[in-house]
Amino acid sequence: DQQVKQNSPSLSVQEGRISILNCDYTNSMFDYFLWYKKYPAEGPTFLISISSIKDKNEDGRFTVFLNKSAKHLSLHIVPSQPGDSAVYFCAATDASISQGGSEKLVFGKGMKLTVNP
Amino acid sequence: EAGVAQSPRYKIIEKRQSVAFWCNPISGHATLYWYQQILGQGPKLLIQFQNNGVVDDSQLPKDRFSAERLKGVDSTLKIQPAKLEDSAVYLCASSITGVEPEAFFGQGTRLTVV
Repeated sequence: DQQVKQNSPSLSVQEGRISILNCDYTNSMFDYFLWYKKYPAEGPTFLISISSIKDKNEDGRFTVFLNKSAKHLSLHIVPSQPGDSAVYFCAATDASISQGGSEKLVFGKGMKLTVNP
Repeated sequence: EAGVAQSPRYKIIEKRQSVAFWCNPISGHATLYWYQQILGQGPKLLIQFQNNGVVDDSQLPKDRFSAERLKGVDSTLKIQPAKLEDSAVYLCASSITGVEPEAFFGQGTRLTVV
């Protein structure tokens, strides 16, 4: 049973346009969400995160939006650049450490983003 | 700041052989994870250590996989005997416990079992 779902395996956009990557989750205990970026032959690199107490977090060209009622989050990249071409993983965890959360990250299958010059 | 170090980068073995992977986490990171990433899937947690204690090994196939983290720093993951379906990238990650859940990953070890 997949608790974190990235239903689109790939996305192709033109340089300068917006890239929107979507992620859905099923476990209502998840309260912290992360996006990782992965280039071939490298490990995933942390990109941006959001706590469930927020609905938006922005870092430069990257913005993550969280809709808790829909159990949905999205990553917006504006403007997209060719160097953004990579596989993007959505991950979630129960970060309530004080209540016994294990900090285990549960990952989606990933989405391959291609930004064309 | 040095990142998470893993070795070897690549390993090819025959089924039923044994193999071991090594990980050195970021200095000061108490939490260490081993993930398995099969081609086309996201990373799946195998085992999580906090210092040298196991926090979660619910998805570790304990009949063939073992891991240890002596002295709460470096860790090794072993597979014995290997099966064809163990072909994957094995990722080690570490994080600062109790601060932020972001985990920092090493480059991984690509295992091919033939």
